Amino acid sequence: AQSVTQLDSQVPVFEEAPVELRCNYSSSVSVYLFWYVQYPNQGLQLLLKYLSGSTLVKGINGFEAEFNKSQTSFHLRKPSVHISDTAEYFCAVSDFNKFYFGSGTKLNVKP
Amino acid sequence: GEEVAQTPKHLVRGEGQKAKLYCAPIKGHSYVFWYQQVLKNEFKFLISFQNENVFDETGMPKERFSAKCLPNSPCSLEIQATKLEDSAVYFCASSRWTGPDTQYFGPGTRLTVL
Repeated sequence: AQSVTQLDSQVPVFEEAPVELRCNYSSSVSVYLFWYVQYPNQGLQLLLKYLSGSTLVKGINGFEAEFNKSQTSFHLRKPSVHISDTAEYFCAVSDFNKFYFGSGTKLNVKP
Repeated sequence: GEEVAQTPKHLVRGEGQKAKLYCAPIKGHSYVFWYQQVLKNEFKFLISFQNENVFDETGMPKERFSAKCLPNSPCSLEIQATKLEDSAVYFCASSRWTGPDTQYFGPGTRLTVL
């Protein structure tokens, strides 16, 4: 069975500081991993995804994530955050039928 | 269209009333998914369709929930006799195929059951 754990429910950070949002997964099948962002009162927008190949994945808005098979992790990083990055971030793992989402991490960027 | 469209944006129902939500997937996408997001932000998979056929319904509370995707019509999710715990945001997503393909999400329908 697949599952996703996002240990940090909230991450406060100052503008222009780096940030890492943690995601750990468990999967009994091939691993396909996604990060989505949800702005207030909006749907989910894809940030990036890992299907295969290079373990470092670059996405939109300057975000990147690294797939680490031995640690079953897919942490999201950004070297310098902006106020506009304030949102909720969801990690998801896909099997061939559906997505399994983590409980989300609220990123609060302070000026 | 280029985006997943969901209507209505908000829906308020008294307990026991029926609620019907609609989703128009991106043109050319064969798969439609419904998810329920409850207050703790957890996404629960409900059901998926491959064109008009049910693909996976393992998340559906079958007693009161039903869904359809008919040709040339928006997909729909219907809840008969709503309960307070049905209050949530219901998201529809579509993808070109199943497997590890990106799912594109609509803006959601917020259902409030009073």
